[in-house]
Amino acid sequence: NAGVTQTPKFQVLKTGQSMTLQCAQDMNHEYMSWYRQDPGMGLRLIHYSVGAGITDQGEVPNGYNVSRSTTEDFPLRLLSAAPSQTSVYFCASSYRTGSSQPQHFGDGTRLSIL
Amino acid sequence: DAKTTQPPSMDCAEGRAANLPCNHSTISGNEYVYWYRQIHSQGPQYIIHGLKNNETNEMASLIITEDRKSSTLILPHATLRDTAVYYCTGSRGEKLTFGTGTRLTIIP
Repeated sequence: NAGVTQTPKFQVLKTGQSMTLQCAQDMNHEYMSWYRQDPGMGLRLIHYSVGAGITDQGEVPNGYNVSRSTTEDFPLRLLSAAPSQTSVYFCASSYRTGSSQPQHFGDGTRLSIL
Repeated sequence: DAKTTQPPSMDCAEGRAANLPCNHSTISGNEYVYWYRQIHSQGPQYIIHGLKNNETNEMASLIITEDRKSSTLILPHATLRDTAVYYCTGSRGEKLTFGTGTRLTIIP
């Protein structure tokens, strides 16, 4: 099993550009989520999904869109990148909502907005 | 999620037990205590979790006080590879909130 795979690992964008951060898991996990981590800080939840076709906002959703058309994939879209979105983005998944099972994290995408 | 308080940094000698404290006085009755760690800038790695009882797995032990307001993560024989930032959080599993954690440095 590959676990949680995030692509790309690094990306540099100009202000106003759009892009999609990819996240895929091969563990048939029901729950998937996106976090951002800024320097010297912990993780903050952006969006999450409890299953295909169902998404909801986390703590810091502004400027980001998500969709969940399949169980495996949960892409994060930046519609118009801003310097404040420079961060490290982590995708995570867990077995089933409400099961208390731990989350598995990807290795992150390091995004710089110029 | 419960608010958590952890010391910003700790040192531990290699081979000794590392004991990392966490205060989570606002934890609710149905929230678990989770511990994760982050090595360098990798993705967080799950260590252990518990609700009321003490727990042990191949990585660590978790001691939760009877009132559930605090817990201690124990790495029984710390190695240099255990140098990382350790996060505790109170959660029902999905929506994790990580603070700034404890930076644990294992000293050779």
